[in-house]
Amino acid sequence: RKEVEQDPGPFNVPEGATVAFNCTYSNSASQSFFWYRQDCRKEPKLLMSVYSSGNEDGRFTAQLNRASQYISLLIRDSKLSDSATYLCVVDNYGQNFVFGPGTRLSVLP
Amino acid sequence: GAGVSQSPSNKVTEKGKDVELRCDPISGHTALYWYRQSLGQGLEFLIYFQGNSAPDKSGLPSDRFSAERTGGSVSTLTIQRTQQEDSAVYLCASSSTWLAGSGTGELFFGEGSRLTVL
Repeated sequence: RKEVEQDPGPFNVPEGATVAFNCTYSNSASQSFFWYRQDCRKEPKLLMSVYSSGNEDGRFTAQLNRASQYISLLIRDSKLSDSATYLCVVDNYGQNFVFGPGTRLSVLP
Repeated sequence: GAGVSQSPSNKVTEKGKDVELRCDPISGHTALYWYRQSLGQGLEFLIYFQGNSAPDKSGLPSDRFSAERTGGSVSTLTIQRTQQEDSAVYLCASSSTWLAGSGTGELFFGEGSRLTVL
C-alpha cells in the first residue's frame, strides 16, 4: 500500500460547482497534513495546512479524520483559475514529507 | 529574488554521463529536500537534510545517486552513470525549522531542473 493515496482524476467540473477530493494515508504516526497545488509544469505551492478541527480558507475547506486516516479538500464555487493538480502531503514520522500522486482538476467554462 | 534557486533549469545528457544539480535554498532555512517528478507522476522523495543532522537518504533509488549540503546551505545532487529512467524534473525545496503537528513547515520549492538522458 502506498503511503499517501489519491484519486488521480481528472475531475472535470463546470464553473461554480463544488468539488471534493479525498486522500488516505498509511502512517498512523503522521502528525502534519497539507494540501499543495501544482499548476502544469510549475513547482508545487502550499494551498493550506490541515488541522484536526478542520479549517477553512475562503472557498476552500480541509478536513482531517485521524481515526480513518483520511483527509479531504472541498472547493466551493469553482473558478477557472482553480484548474490544477492538488497534492495531499503528509509528514513521515515527523521527518520528511510524503506527497500523494495528486488529483487533477479541470474547471470548465 | 529570495526564493529557492536551482540550476541548471534544463540539462540534456548522454546515457552514462555524470550530472550535478544545484540547489540554493532560502537563506536561514535549515531543512532542504530533494524530490523528483517524472512526466505525469507525483513527487518522489529522494533525500532530506535538517541542520547538522545526518541526512535521510532513504529515498535515493540507487547508489548512483548522492547529495551533499555544504555549510548548511547550498546542496548538490549528483547522478553518476545516468540512465534513461533518470529523466525527470528534480525539485528542491527548503523550509524553516518546523515542529511535527504544529501545522507549520511550508515547503518552498524551486522551479526544478529538468533532466533528459538520451
